[in-house]
Amino acid sequence: DQQVKQNSPSLSVQEGRISILNCDYTNSMFDYFLWYKKYPAEGPTFLISISSIKDKNEDGRFTVFLNKSAKHLSLHIVPSQPGDSAVYFCAASVRSGGSNYKLTFGKGTLLTVNP
Amino acid sequence: KAGVTQTPRYLIKTRGQQVTLSCSPISGHRSVSWYQQTPGQGLQFLFEYFSETQRNKGNFPGRFSGRQFSNSRSEMNVSTLELGDSALYLCASSFKGTGGTEAFFGQGTRLTVV
Repeated sequence: DQQVKQNSPSLSVQEGRISILNCDYTNSMFDYFLWYKKYPAEGPTFLISISSIKDKNEDGRFTVFLNKSAKHLSLHIVPSQPGDSAVYFCAASVRSGGSNYKLTFGKGTLLTVNP
Repeated sequence: KAGVTQTPRYLIKTRGQQVTLSCSPISGHRSVSWYQQTPGQGLQFLFEYFSETQRNKGNFPGRFSGRQFSNSRSEMNVSTLELGDSALYLCASSFKGTGGTEAFFGQGTRLTVV
């Protein structure tokens, strides 16, 4: 059972426009959400995160929105740049005993930003 | 500050063999987690170690095991390799735990089983 879902395997956007990547989750115990970016032949790189007590977090061109009632989060990239082309993974964490955490990832969305 | 280092970067093994992968976390980080990435399944959690103790375990068979040393370096072992074990194996380190705080990933070890 996939607890974190990224239903769009790919997304193509024009340079300068907004990119919106979506993520849905099923586990209401998740209390922390993260977005990672991954280039080929490299490990994922942390982008931005949000705690379940917030509904928005912004960092430069990247904004993450969390809708807990819909169990949905999204990553907005404005303006999109060709260097943003990568696979984006949504991840969520659930506390599992004490202060232990683990990450549950979605399958990723390939973003292509066209010049 | 050096990043997360995984060795080797690439590995080719035959079915039935065993393999050991290594991960050196960022200095000062005590948590090391391992993930398997395949095209169809994305990143799947294998296990997490903190201060030499396994704290979390994913849904993988017992052929997948790991350990962490006193210097926080971690190794992952896969025995009796199967073709389906071909994947990118990623290690992530963090100070407290990879789920609640930012985790830093290594470049991964690409394992091919033939």
